Amino acid sequence: RKEVEQDPGPFNVPEGATVAFNCTYSNSASQSFFWYRQDCRKEPKLLMSVYSSGNEDGRFTAQLNRASQYISLLIRDSKLSDSATYLCVVIRSDDYKLSFGAGTTVTVRA
Amino acid sequence: GAVVSQHPSRVICKSGTSVKIECRSLDFQATTMFWYRQFPKQSLMLMATSNEGSKATYEQGVEKDKFLINHASLTLSTLTVTSAHPEDSSFYICSARPGSDEQFFGPGTRLTVL
Repeated sequence: RKEVEQDPGPFNVPEGATVAFNCTYSNSASQSFFWYRQDCRKEPKLLMSVYSSGNEDGRFTAQLNRASQYISLLIRDSKLSDSATYLCVVIRSDDYKLSFGAGTTVTVRA
Repeated sequence: GAVVSQHPSRVICKSGTSVKIECRSLDFQATTMFWYRQFPKQSLMLMATSNEGSKATYEQGVEKDKFLINHASLTLSTLTVTSAHPEDSSFYICSARPGSDEQFFGPGTRLTVL
């Protein structure tokens, strides 16, 4: 089983829609979680950290469910510029290295 | 945020040649840098951890003699793909951590081996 698994999508949504997707992780001792955004053929960039109590950053909301070992990302009022691949990242508790999911592709259409 | 550069951004080479990729932290010192590889539609896979002044730590399945890493200073790490073959064609990305949890990624190097 992969350390971090994501639904690859793609999620095709119209502008203004809400889109949400999850990421599951296998190591229950994982301690830090992030969502990164990666545009085509570019490097990943940090979108937001994921805190235990859930957190919001503008139109983006991240949630963590430790019992079920998943994190989620919700994008409200989608913009065309939100089209990207969203990578779930988990910091391994044993060596503090990053484990990446394969990414969820979101395409927002006009 | 912190800035990490990579050079070259793209390289095309013949099979059997060696390719060197540089990773620099431009506005901070990094005792540790990381090298990743990403194949199309796949996740970033950590190849190795580059430690300034000491040997790199390689992930399982990564050949240290094929992927030579040198971390000569606190701002520079290099990855050399020796005797490259077509299956080494990939997107190579480095990252550095200036002390916090967050890692900053270089823009990546797209290697194509003919």
